[in-house]
Amino acid sequence: EVQLVESGGGLVQPGRSMKLSCAASGFTFSNYGMAWVRQAPTKGLEWVATISYDGSSTYYRDSVKGRFTISRDNAKSTLYLQMNSLRSEDTATYYCTRDSGDVYYGLLLQDYWGQGVMVTVSS
Amino acid sequence: NIVMTQSPKSMSISVGDRVTMNCKASQNVGNNIAWYQQKPGQSPKLLIYYASNRYTGVPDRFTGGGYGTDFTLTINSVQAEDAAFYYCQRIYNSPWTFGGGTKLELK
Repeated sequence: EVQLVESGGGLVQPGRSMKLSCAASGFTFSNYGMAWVRQAPTKGLEWVATISYDGSSTYYRDSVKGRFTISRDNAKSTLYLQMNSLRSEDTATYYCTRDSGDVYYGLLLQDYWGQGVMVTVSS
Repeated sequence: NIVMTQSPKSMSISVGDRVTMNCKASQNVGNNIAWYQQKPGQSPKLLIYYASNRYTGVPDRFTGGGYGTDFTLTINSVQAEDAAFYYCQRIYNSPWTFGGGTKLELK
């Protein structure tokens, strides 16, 4: 059974950093691209970042470029999102997703989602 | 960037009714969209990909259609468990933008 379990969320002050993790199991992690999607309270879904299966290619939405870094450790079957210079508008539930498409061909198809982890940016 | 616009924002339907919701892309995206369902308190789930392909395990009352800029998600004979938000997403090329969502409520 595919499982994606996010951790590392919580309350953080504006301008500070936080690192999210996503532990994957039930599939060969190193064969799949992965992504982060967020959802602000009572708002819709917003794609944040994507990483290729081997970590060699990464993609970000404009509002997080230069502040967020997506990475992975295939030996540990774990996805990460390092978030720096956090802003109040980054407050959201962050979902880890598996990509059954192929980002090298531009295709992102998010077939499994974690339960999400809440990040609150506030002083 | 391509903008995905969903309509209506919300709809209230009776069990057994047929409902259609819309997703409009600001540029031609071919058939490269997916639909997701998000029930209250849950993570989103993939329903439809490449505009009209039902994902594994999705009931056949869910049907996707459209090409280019205009897409639809139709639910035939809506069930109580279909109450949820529905999101479309462009699935080809970054940024992989979501629409704003349609909330389906049951009367």
